[in-house]
Amino acid sequence: AQSVTQLGSHVSVSEGALVLLRCNYSSSVPPYLFWYVQYPNQGLQLLLKYTSAATLVKGINGFEAEFKKSETSFHLTKPSAHMSDAAEYFCAVCFNTGNQFYFGTGTSLTVIP
Amino acid sequence: GAVVSQHPSWVICKSGTSVKIECRSLDFQATTMFWYRQFPKQSLMLMATSNEGSKATYEQGVEKDKFLINHASLTLSTLTVTSAHPEDSSFYICSASRQGAQEQYFGPGTRLTVT
Repeated sequence: AQSVTQLGSHVSVSEGALVLLRCNYSSSVPPYLFWYVQYPNQGLQLLLKYTSAATLVKGINGFEAEFKKSETSFHLTKPSAHMSDAAEYFCAVCFNTGNQFYFGTGTSLTVIP
Repeated sequence: GAVVSQHPSWVICKSGTSVKIECRSLDFQATTMFWYRQFPKQSLMLMATSNEGSKATYEQGVEKDKFLINHASLTLSTLTVTSAHPEDSSFYICSASRQGAQEQYFGPGTRLTVT
């Protein structure tokens, strides 16, 4: 089965602290991996994506993620959290067979001043 | 590039009426469009996938006769919620992809409230 799992539905960090949001996938074929951010009552905004090029992917707003095949992971990080980073984050995976995306359950990030 | 719009952004309707939501790719041709539903504090649930000029493929558990999807052109797909009921109240998000591309571009979403 092909799926994606986000560990931790809620993550709280202090302003200026490291942000780490976890995402693991299961797949029998090479995946394409994405991180999206969603602010309240808004659609999804693409943060970054992995499409089989460099394993360390840099995205917008200072976020980056590293594809680790051996760990089947694609964790999202940011060195220093900002108040504006408070939002819902979704990890998603898709495969060559069709364009269907599989979304994780989401992680709500709270940034404490 | 790759902008997707949705209209309306928020709609309130009475129970029993039908509501149409539009999804448009503004600067590219979308061979495939997707419709998702999102309940509060939950993830996106894929409802259906539609290819231009073809019938939509619905996910298991999604009522075809209730959620009518039309993908008449390469830039427009519509979702019509027929005979809406309060339990249909949700956030509906569409996305679009180019032929051969893996990435989906998401619209801003439409909030449907059925009273």
